[in-house]
Amino acid sequence: DIQMTQSPSSLSASVGDRVTITCRASQSISSYLNWYQQKPGKAPKLLIYAASSLQSGVPSRFSGSGSGTDFTLTISSLQPEDFATYYCQQSYSTPRLFTFGPGTKVDIK
Amino acid sequence: QLQLQESGPGLVKPSETLSLTCTVSGGSISSSSYYWGWIRQPPGKGLEWIGSIYYSGSTYYNPSLKSRVTISVDTSKNQFSLKLSSVTAADTAVYYCARRVLYYYDSSGYRNKLDAFDIWGQGTMVTVSS
Repeated sequence: DIQMTQSPSSLSASVGDRVTITCRASQSISSYLNWYQQKPGKAPKLLIYAASSLQSGVPSRFSGSGSGTDFTLTISSLQPEDFATYYCQQSYSTPRLFTFGPGTKVDIK
Repeated sequence: QLQLQESGPGLVKPSETLSLTCTVSGGSISSSSYYWGWIRQPPGKGLEWIGSIYYSGSTYYNPSLKSRVTISVDTSKNQFSLKLSSVTAADTAVYYCARRVLYYYDSSGYRNKLDAFDIWGQGTMVTVSS
């Protein structure tokens, strides 16, 4: 089965900072990689699909890149509402198996 | 717009069966473009996919939970349901239902695999305790 890892597991940043989160798959998943944002007490929200496509309504400061095994989520200028936990999810082995990464928590420095 | 709402007991005794229902409003559960799924999140931990169902009744389950999970669909009520048997304290979690979108169309009009959960319910906390 495909394993997903994320780094860092947490980070502290300031408003206006450029933030990059990495997701790595244990084998190539092409571009079958999605990103979610989850705020405390709320359901996750789909941000990026197919590694780099922005979900409708998501601000353009969010971007995704990568293919194969290594992927990044970038927030170009961190806003107060962006402090949250971010999860990657592979869709290569779906529908049989749906796997989330362990998450990266972004909090205020 | 499409909304999903989980319902069911918030407290379940160990060894019993957890039962939850997700009601879909603002759209039909019988769309060919979507699966419907359950995801859970233990307190302070990450997301775990439980399983998914198509309106026809076709299901996929997380292998780690497969022996205890049943997901069913009732298209007449626009609902799908989760049953998790023989629960323990480790099953204590927030349980989410969500819509799973299978495809997207790129700028050339080609259909591509997407397979992500794009609309979620608010989640319901289920505690397993005697």
